[in-house]
Amino acid sequence: ELKVEQNPLFLSMQEGKNYTIYCNYSTTSDRLYWYRQDPGKSLESLFVLLSNGAVKQEGRLMASLDTKARLSTLHITAAVHDLSATYFCAVATPYIAQKLVFGQGTRLTINP
Amino acid sequence: DGGITQSPKYLFRKEGQNVTLSCEQNLNHDAMYWYRQDPGQGLRLIYYSQIVNDFQKGDIAEGYSVSREKKESFPLTVTSAQKNPTAFYLCASSIQLAGVVDEQFFGPGTRLTVL
Repeated sequence: ELKVEQNPLFLSMQEGKNYTIYCNYSTTSDRLYWYRQDPGKSLESLFVLLSNGAVKQEGRLMASLDTKARLSTLHITAAVHDLSATYFCAVATPYIAQKLVFGQGTRLTINP
Repeated sequence: DGGITQSPKYLFRKEGQNVTLSCEQNLNHDAMYWYRQDPGQGLRLIYYSQIVNDFQKGDIAEGYSVSREKKESFPLTVTSAQKNPTAFYLCASSIQLAGVVDEQFFGPGTRLTVL
């Protein structure tokens, strides 16, 4: 059974600092997704990572995937308050009839 | 505009009552999903459907039912058998080819409260 774990679950940081959120998963998969959720809102797609070594960047966020280590990272560079949200990674189950298994989410608070 | 709509935004249920949450998409996506999110938690899969007139149970299907009579619609019924239904319900859809799931896009959600 595929299990997805994120850490940390809570992260409070100051504007201008860098930090990384980690997403570990337990079984082979070649598809991983990062989502953002603002309080009381739905999920917004951030990144789609489809192969080993994939790296995607959008503004101050950069996501990478290492399928051999079963690890994805979401790196935040020079954080700004607008990035405060909960971030989820989701991993596609292997083989046919795929579905996504979500991590617990990382609640990120960026303080001025 | 293409997208996923859910209604109602807020729903209140009395004990012993069945309620139905609507999910419609005009993205021409094959697959649709229902998730439940409890406060401060991640998403848990209730049901999903890869094709019209077919659906599969997810991890927490007990007390819920679905139908997929049309490609664009995937309503979720929360039955009286679901003892703790208060949660945020999210519907999603995705392209799906040969069983391979693609990026999922989410609707705005329905917040269900039991009175």
